[in-house]
Amino acid sequence: GQNIDQPTEMTATEGAIVQINCTYQTSGFNGLFWYQQHAGEAPTFLSYNVLDGLEEKGRFSSFLSRSKGYSYLLLKELQMKDSASYLCAVSLLANQAGTALIFGKGTTLSVSS
Amino acid sequence: DTEVTQTPKHLVMGMTNKKSLKCEQHMGHRAMYWYKQKAKKPPELMFVYSYEKLSINESVPSRFSPECPNSSLLNLHLHALQPEDSALYLCASSQDLETEAFFGQGTRLTVV
Repeated sequence: GQNIDQPTEMTATEGAIVQINCTYQTSGFNGLFWYQQHAGEAPTFLSYNVLDGLEEKGRFSSFLSRSKGYSYLLLKELQMKDSASYLCAVSLLANQAGTALIFGKGTTLSVSS
Repeated sequence: DTEVTQTPKHLVMGMTNKKSLKCEQHMGHRAMYWYKQKAKKPPELMFVYSYEKLSINESVPSRFSPECPNSSLLNLHLHALQPEDSALYLCASSQDLETEAFFGQGTRLTVV
């Protein structure tokens, strides 16, 4: 079966750095995505890793280790607007005809002043 | 145009009603998805269409019936739903196997 784990909740203060971890056990792995979702809104894409290593995009960075089934999302210089749910999603190859994103349960990040 | 457009934004329907959710994208994406999201839960995959063919059906009850009339449109036909089907229904699309999915804003469905 497919299993994606991430912490349920995290808290941090403005200006700080926070790391959200994600571990996965899946078959047909085709990449790992991080999405941000504010309450009542659709998920928005943050980052994508398919090879091992670090991808940096502004205040957000994401790391992947395929051999360890592990990823993290690093958020720097936290702002109040970063309070949201962060979803780790694994892209799985399916039926030779497409991929599907399977989401972890999400980590609710609360940023305080 | 980098948008996935879903209509309607809100829908209230009775258990005997038939309704349809619509999703449209003009990014030339060849894969489109339906997800269901309950409050404080992650999106759950329902259906995947690739090149207008249903490629994944995640054991969804037959009261949900997807349809892909062409490469830009994806519908979800609803019939005889239950109150527990009330949720946010998200449509998404992606270019190919190695690019991100873009999500629509969703349809918030309430079954009464």
